[in-house]
Amino acid sequence: EDQVTQSPEALRLQEGESSSLNCSYTVSGLRGLFWYRQDPGKGPEFLFTLYSAGEEKEKERLKATLTKKESFLHITAPKPEDSATYLCAVQAGAENTPLVFGKGTRLSVIA
Amino acid sequence: GAVVSQHPSWVICKSGTSVKIECRSLDFQATTMFWYRQFPKQSLMLMATSNEGSKATYEQGVEKDKFLINHASLTLSTLTVTSAHPEDSSFYICSAPRGGVETQYFGPGTRLLVL
Repeated sequence: EDQVTQSPEALRLQEGESSSLNCSYTVSGLRGLFWYRQDPGKGPEFLFTLYSAGEEKEKERLKATLTKKESFLHITAPKPEDSATYLCAVQAGAENTPLVFGKGTRLSVIA
Repeated sequence: GAVVSQHPSWVICKSGTSVKIECRSLDFQATTMFWYRQFPKQSLMLMATSNEGSKATYEQGVEKDKFLINHASLTLSTLTVTSAHPEDSSFYICSAPRGGVETQYFGPGTRLLVL
């Protein structure tokens, strides 16, 4: 059974205090690992897709990395507007297969 | 801009009534759409896969007679919660994979409150 575990469950940072979120996964035949951002009461917003170990992607203050067992979402010099829940998900098999999500990390950035 | 829409964004209904939620892909065709449910401070749990032109497939533990799914066209899937009860109150979110794009797009979600 495919599983995704995210840690920590919640993270509180001061503005400018860099940190990393962890996503550990077990999946048979990884097609892609996805990072989403979700604000309260809204649907997930796509951030990154990673396909193979060693791959990295960046967007503004965020950088996602992937190994064979886990992924990290690095947040550099966060701002209060980065406060949200960050979801990690994996997809196995074909393109039209559903994602398996972790429980997310609730990030709070304090000014 | 948004590529998947949902309607309504929120609904309050009395116990025993049925509620229909629509999910539309706005500028692409989706032969497959997914319906998820999210309880407070929990992650998204897959309920069912909606397939255009064929029956939906449901995850274990999801009652197909209670959560009716109809994939009416290549841009529209509907989820009907029949005889809703307070325990059905949740946040329902749909998603659609877009061919040739490396992700699945999610709708904004529908908040259902059953009194």
